[in-house]
Amino acid sequence: DTEVTQTPKHLVMGMTNKKSLKCEQHMGHRAMYWYKQKAKKPPELMFVYSYEKLSINESVPSRFSPECPNSSLLNLHLHALQPEDSALYLCASSQVWDQGETQYFGPGTRLLVL
Amino acid sequence: GQSLEQPSEVTAVEGAIVQINCTYQTSGFYGLSWYQQHDGGAPTFLSYNALDGLEETGRFSSFLSRSDSYGYLLLQELQMKDSASYFCAGPNTGGFKTIFGAGTRLFVKA
Repeated sequence: DTEVTQTPKHLVMGMTNKKSLKCEQHMGHRAMYWYKQKAKKPPELMFVYSYEKLSINESVPSRFSPECPNSSLLNLHLHALQPEDSALYLCASSQVWDQGETQYFGPGTRLLVL
Repeated sequence: GQSLEQPSEVTAVEGAIVQINCTYQTSGFYGLSWYQQHDGGAPTFLSYNALDGLEETGRFSSFLSRSDSYGYLLLQELQMKDSASYFCAGPNTGGFKTIFGAGTRLFVKA
């Protein structure tokens, strides 16, 4: 099983809403990532979790709050987002957090903030 | 800082061979990865070069020259389904953050 799953696939939310994105992998990977991708742009790293501990926060605004409840799950809690936060949010995982490790991406959640 | 430069678009015909180049600027570079992303889809891993030379995986090959700070992805026997964006990526200096190039959109024509 080399699959990373993400829910929901699409999400529309207002600027005052609170929502959560979910990501799951059952490959035994110990590193998990959140990326943000705008149309026709490369993925931009937001957060890295290694062994369920937050290892990198790329100066992401606090309206994005990651959570790693266990080694298979990764959440991204959203609160008071802005329209410019509309994007594809990708979750990825790799065996460990190391150079050259293959990252397996989920299908993403397409988020629209109104 | 670190940057990876690649062409924005490449067009080729079915059955042809196409090369997508990637040049990078960084110190202590550790290797180059390539990802494919179809419109509306997620990036999927294609290859990784940690050492100089050519890595071959079916119709796709990837090359790295660390002395030239340069790599490329070679796609042979192009098929329509190869139309996608291709990203080179590498870890940043001194850390394990993955930096992506801006991506190359490949259009395969019949």
